[in-house]
Amino acid sequence: NAGVTQTPKFQVLKTGQSMTLQCAQDMNHEYMSWYRQDPGMGLRLIHYSVGAGITDQGEVPNGYNVSRSTTEDFPLRLLSAAPSQTSVYFCASSPRFGEQFFGPGTRLTVL
Amino acid sequence: SQQGEEDPQALSIQEGENATMNCSYKTSINNLQWYRQNSGRGLVHLILIRSNEREKHSGRLRVTLDTSKKSSSLLITASRAADTASYFCATDYNDYKLSFGAGTTVTVRA
Repeated sequence: NAGVTQTPKFQVLKTGQSMTLQCAQDMNHEYMSWYRQDPGMGLRLIHYSVGAGITDQGEVPNGYNVSRSTTEDFPLRLLSAAPSQTSVYFCASSPRFGEQFFGPGTRLTVL
Repeated sequence: SQQGEEDPQALSIQEGENATMNCSYKTSINNLQWYRQNSGRGLVHLILIRSNEREKHSGRLRVTLDTSKKSSSLLITASRAADTASYFCATDYNDYKLSFGAGTTVTVRA
């Protein structure tokens, strides 16, 4: 099993550009989520999904969109990138009420 | 925010010593989890303790949970250089939603 995979590993955007961060898991987990990690602030939940076709907002959803058309994939879209979105983004999946499995992260810089 | 808070922010110990870090949180939880993050990597799950449990062990890790004080502690015994990492507590307060603290950075000196 590959676990949770994320692409790309690194990305540099200009302000106003849009892009999609990809996340996939092969463990048939119901739950998937996106976090951002900023220095000294821990991880903050952006969006999450409890199953295909079901998504909901987390703590910091503004400027991001998600969709969950399949159990395996949970892409995160940045609509119009801003410097405040410079961060490391982690995708995670879990079975219900269990530990979360994290991907390796995407380091995003917005200029 | 439901965020847990770890204490201390940073910890430096000699190899072989024990490391203890604490986590406090604000509201009732379903469970509390501890994760480790090595520099530049994703988080790795260490241990999950449910709200009706008081203590749990996994190898050299010991976790306690005091729901009356809304606090948890993680003890790493006989530390090794490979334990150098950041440690995060995460509270599961609303089904799938995890709230993470800012973490404790542990440095184990040889």
